[in-house]
Amino acid sequence: DSGVTQTPKHLITATGQRVTLRCSPRSGDLSVYWYQQSLDQGLQFLIQYYNGEERAKGNILERFSAQQFPDLHSELNLSSLELGDSALYFCASSLQDEQFFGPGTRLTVL
Amino acid sequence: GEDVEQSLFLSVREGDSSVINCTYTDSSSTYLYWYKQEPGAGLQLLTYIFSNMDMKQDQRLTVLLNKKDKHLSLRIADTQTGDSAIYFCAENRNRDDKIIFGKGTRLHILP
Repeated sequence: DSGVTQTPKHLITATGQRVTLRCSPRSGDLSVYWYQQSLDQGLQFLIQYYNGEERAKGNILERFSAQQFPDLHSELNLSSLELGDSALYFCASSLQDEQFFGPGTRLTVL
Repeated sequence: GEDVEQSLFLSVREGDSSVINCTYTDSSSTYLYWYKQEPGAGLQLLTYIFSNMDMKQDQRLTVLLNKKDKHLSLRIADTQTGDSAIYFCAENRNRDDKIIFGKGTRLHILP
């Protein structure tokens, strides 16, 4: 158990819909990272927040957005969903360089 | 190259050593990581090496780093069935401070 929690574990939705994935970092960790893992693209870094502020951006689509709240939990919002957005979405947290991953949210878009 | 490269599959007999290789992108990357992903689970940090080291040993795991060739390897001694998983190599790329992952190597253990 890494100490990072993600909800929900599974999400099934339809194309065009919007979903919110939630992540609670390990106690004391200030950074939260979001990753997408799909069969064809592998594991891709989406975005990082540090203490509430956006720190780094990766291959995140404009239809996706994220935020980190004052209590340091983070949400990843995915809108206008497409079939290709079906993937495992991981959150990770860190205090310095070592990242600890949550169990992931499996999103299926039908 | 711009991608972290790993071979996709490796089959090893139980009890033998497994060696998983990785080529990363930035010779100035400060940290290099190995993560393990078991079926249906998240990623678990196995070990990491700082760029000023060329070897790190942790029980059955040995990490070797060749900075000149940007080559990283993970050796698992006495491979067990519980080692069956996907292993991801990752670098903390210095030039843009991003963590870049390889596509993972699926380790299959033969009886």
